Amino acid sequence: NAGVTQTPKFQVLKTGQSMTLQCAQDMNHNSMYWYRQDPGMGLRLIYYSASEGTTDKGEVPNGYNVSRLNKREFSLRLESAAPSQTSVYFCASSDGGPLFPTDTQYFGPGTRLTVL
Amino acid sequence: AQSVAQPEDQVNVAEGNPLTVKCTYSVSGNPYLFWYVQYPNRGLQFLLKYITGDNLVKGSYGFEAEFNKSQTSFHLKKPSALVSDSALYFCAVRARFKAAGNKLTFGGGTRVLVKP
Repeated sequence: NAGVTQTPKFQVLKTGQSMTLQCAQDMNHNSMYWYRQDPGMGLRLIYYSASEGTTDKGEVPNGYNVSRLNKREFSLRLESAAPSQTSVYFCASSDGGPLFPTDTQYFGPGTRLTVL
Repeated sequence: AQSVAQPEDQVNVAEGNPLTVKCTYSVSGNPYLFWYVQYPNRGLQFLLKYITGDNLVKGSYGFEAEFNKSQTSFHLKKPSALVSDSALYFCAVRARFKAAGNKLTFGGGTRVLVKP
C-alpha cells in the first residue's frame, strides 16, 4: 500500500519556466490537498479538492493552478515559476469531504522545488 | 480566522526525560486538534487528534496530548523521550463548523532534539 505518492522528488527551475507536480493516492480518499512548507511558517494550504471534479483555493493560491484528474490524482501546476515559489510541496489526502472535518490527512513525501 | 502558535522553535531534552512540545490555538467555536511529526526528508506523519470527549488523547509511539479549553492549549507530551523522537513536530487546528471544510491550519513547527 503506497499511500500518497509525489513526483518528482526534486526539481530545479529557472524563473519563468513551468512545471507540473504530480500526486496520486491509492486509499480511495475523496479529498486531496496541496501545501507548501517554508521554514518557520509551517504548512500553508495552496489548493484543495473536496471531491472529484471540484477544486477550491486555499491560503496561498496565487501563481498556482490545480487539476483533479480523477479520484486518485491531483496535480499542481506552476505556469511561470518565480523565486518566491522555492519551497517544499506536500500533497495530502483524506477520506471525507467538507462534512467530515475530523478526518485525518495523510501526506506524501514531498517535492523540493528550487526556482533560480 | 484560525491560527496555531508553537512558541518554541526548538526543544532539547535528554534521553529518558519527559518531553513536552507546546501548542496554543485560536479558532471560532470548539476545535479539532492534531499533532503531526516530520522526520528528515519525509512527509508528515499523523500522531494523534482531539475530536471530543476525554481531554487526554493517546497516540502513536507513546505520545499523548492534553486539550485544555480554558487555556486554548494542546500540548504534546511523552513521559520518556528516545533519541529516535528527534524530529519536527507540527500542531494543527480545524474549526468545527461546516463552512470551514477540511482546512487545517498548521503551527510553525517545533524541532525536538533528544540527546543520548
